[in-house]
Amino acid sequence: AQTVTQSQPEMSVQEAETVTLSCTYDTSESDYYLFWYKQPPSRQMILVIRQEAYKQQNATENRFSVNFQKAAKSFSLKISDSQLGDAAMYFCAYRSRYGNKLVFGAGTILRVKS
Amino acid sequence: DAMVIQNPRYQVTQFGKPVTLSCSQTLNHNVMYWYQQKSSQAPKLLFHYYDKDFNNEADTPDNFQSRRPNTSFCFLDIRSPGLGDAAMYLCATSSAGRDLNTEAFFGQGTRLTVV
Repeated sequence: AQTVTQSQPEMSVQEAETVTLSCTYDTSESDYYLFWYKQPPSRQMILVIRQEAYKQQNATENRFSVNFQKAAKSFSLKISDSQLGDAAMYFCAYRSRYGNKLVFGAGTILRVKS
Repeated sequence: DAMVIQNPRYQVTQFGKPVTLSCSQTLNHNVMYWYQQKSSQAPKLLFHYYDKDFNNEADTPDNFQSRRPNTSFCFLDIRSPGLGDAAMYLCATSSAGRDLNTEAFFGQGTRLTVV
């Protein structure tokens, strides 16, 4: 079974600075998808960024980018120019390309200081 | 334009009294999920439907059941809620078999309180 590990329960960043959230995963599959989801307090979970395992190029979405290291099974999220609205719980998630289960890590609380 | 709608947002139920949570979607996705999320923890998958095929997680208690009468709707039934079932319940949808829509779309959740 696949597992996702987020080793940072909590992170803090100063507004306008850069922060990196870590994620590792364990799988025997070669084809899969990785996601970072954001869950603001009492609000809906939304997708931040997605990476297909067969793509070597790291995904980017505006201020959000990932460092995908397939061999190391590592998938970190970098948030540049942090904003107060980035404060949330961030979940790393895994989905097999040929399955439907979405497996989440334990989450990292990100606090943004003004 | 809500795409995954959960009702109600807040539900209070009595210990042992059956309760049903509902989820509807306008995305026409063939996969629907139910997750249980306790405070500041990762969502825990209870079960999911792939079309009408029901897939239960091995550690989901028998107390939790689900129904999917059609593509748009899915229900979570808790037959005899205990205090430990108090949590946020998240419904999500996704497409299977099509790379363009691999992400899951979540509803706003239903917060269940058991008294």
